[in-house]
Amino acid sequence: AQTVTQSQPEMSVQEAETVTLSCTYDTSESDYYLFWYKQPPSRQMILVIRQEAYKQQNATENRFSVNFQKAAKSFSLKISDSQLGDAAMYFCAYRSGSSGDKLTFGTGTRLAVRP
Amino acid sequence: GAVVSQHPSWVICKSGTSVKIECRSLDFQATTMFWYRQFPKQSLMLMATSNEGSKATYEQGVEKDKFLINHASLTLSTLTVTSAHPEDSSFYICSASGPTSGLNNEQFFGPGTRLTVL
Repeated sequence: AQTVTQSQPEMSVQEAETVTLSCTYDTSESDYYLFWYKQPPSRQMILVIRQEAYKQQNATENRFSVNFQKAAKSFSLKISDSQLGDAAMYFCAYRSGSSGDKLTFGTGTRLAVRP
Repeated sequence: GAVVSQHPSWVICKSGTSVKIECRSLDFQATTMFWYRQFPKQSLMLMATSNEGSKATYEQGVEKDKFLINHASLTLSTLTVTSAHPEDSSFYICSASGPTSGLNNEQFFGPGTRLTVL
């Protein structure tokens, strides 16, 4: 079974600075997808960024980018120019590319942004 | 992105009663819907996966007779918590995916339902 590990329960960043959230995963599959989701206080899950395992290029979405290290099974999220609205829980998630759409979530990292 | 709604957004019920939560995909056909449970300050725990027109697949440790899931149409799934007890109090989140929901059947999440059992 696949597992997703987020080793940082809490992180803090100064507004306008950069922060990196860590995620590692364990799988024997070669075809899969990785995601970062944001859950603000409203509890609505919001997709931040997606990475297909077959793509070597790291995904980017505006201020959000990932460092995908397939051999190391690492998938970190970098938030640049942090804003107050970035404060939320962030969940890393794994999805198999061949056995359904089920997501496996990590335990989450709570990000605080200091003004 | 695709929109998923949940109703109600919060509900309070007495112990021993049943509660039904609805999950609707508003602008796409959801061939698969997922139900999650989230305790305070914890991650999402998948309870079950339902495919339209067939029985739900429950995760290990989830009582299928207590958490009844129905996915009768391509836009609606329901979760019924039967004979609810205080330990069932939690935040329940649904998500939906389908061939037109986005890139590679991406899941879209509802806003969640907070259940409090007195």
